[in-house]
Formats: sequence, C-alpha cells, structure tokens
Amino acid sequence: GAVVSQHPSWVICKSGTSVKIECRSLDFQATTMFWYRQFPKQSLMLMATSNEGSKATYEQGVEKDKFLINHASLTLSTLTVTSAHPEDSSFYICSASPGQGYQPQHFGDGTRLSIL
Amino acid sequence: GQQLNQSPQSMFIQEGEDVSMNCTSSSIFNTWLWYKQDPGEGPVLLIALYKAGELTSNGRLTAQFGITRKDSFLNISASIPSDVGIYFCAGANNNDMRFGAGTRLTVKP
Repeated sequence: GAVVSQHPSWVICKSGTSVKIECRSLDFQATTMFWYRQFPKQSLMLMATSNEGSKATYEQGVEKDKFLINHASLTLSTLTVTSAHPEDSSFYICSASPGQGYQPQHFGDGTRLSIL
Repeated sequence: GQQLNQSPQSMFIQEGEDVSMNCTSSSIFNTWLWYKQDPGEGPVLLIALYKAGELTSNGRLTAQFGITRKDSFLNISASIPSDVGIYFCAGANNNDMRFGAGTRLTVKP
C-alpha cells in the first residue's frame, strides 16, 4: 500500500517550454502532497506544500509564478515549471501520506527534468 | 526546509560488516524517519519512529528514536551489496519535515 506515482519520469525539452509533472496517490487519498527538488549528490529541498482545493504554500525563495501547483483532487497534484530554463534542470520528487497526520511521507519515483 | 546533521557523509565497507549512521538536531521532533534512495529514484521509507526511546527493526535494519527527541540512529547488520545507496534521515513535526544531507553507502563484495 501507500503507492505514489509520478509522471513523466524523464523530460528533455527546449528552453522556454512549460513542463507539467503529475503526482498521483494510487491507493489512498491525500489532502496534502509535497513537492521537492533535489540537485545531484544533495538532499531533498522542500519547494511547496500542495493542498487539495486551496492554494499551495511555497517555501521561502521558491517563485510561485514559476512553479505552478494545482491539487484538483484527493489523488492528484501537478507541478508546472513555466517557461523553463537550464537552471531549472533538476530532479523533482513529490510525496504524500496516507495517514491521518502528515507522516510518514511516501515518495514518487521522481522526474528528471533537463532543459536544453 | 533546513537540514539535520547526518553523519557520516559516506561509508565504504566490506560485505558482511555492520553499519551505523546517525542524525542530530537542535530541534525536537515528534517523528523520525529513515529513507533509502537509489540513483534516479525517489526515497523509499525504511523505518518510521513515533515515540522517544523507541527501537524498531525492519529485517537487518534497526533504528532508534533518541530519548531527547533530537537524534536518531540507523544500524544495518551484515551488509549486502544491495544495501548500496543513499540513506536519509528525516525529522518531522506534523507537516514540517526536514532532511539530513544523506549517508552514501558503498558495499564492497
């Protein structure tokens, strides 16, 4: 149980393109999902908390107009990287929890984004 | 969020050896979690700890929630080649979860 699916797993696109990443909880409902960014050989850095039916909460330094989050249902959150540039290239990972509280978080397999 | 102090940064061990890594924080956490991440994949939950002093095992893995609630350790006994990967600790209070920098484990056959 507690499976989180992320799609796509790999994206390569030209600079200026907008890219949408989906995060689905397959066997549970999640009112809250989390989006992380991970650079090579570094830890996970929380970008934003995605709340079903309301606006996402962004961490300090994360541009909400650059990283659009939509949590339209209890099993799906999307992260759209708008007008992506090479510096946006990274590994993006989502997580969700099936529990009453927020823990433990279960992670998707991540999306490798490469902007040329 | 801010990172915890996780050590060691990396370990190179022989197959069959035991491994120990730990995390410390200046803040108290209600939950401690240990994850393993393989290259190109998301972290996989290994052990979750919810109570100070709690000692929990998952196969060859054992983790403890420090009595002060500011630290946790993970032990791996009789390591095997598939234990290779990066291990992350995480401390959490409700929806605030902070990660350690990771311990990169290499197991030589």
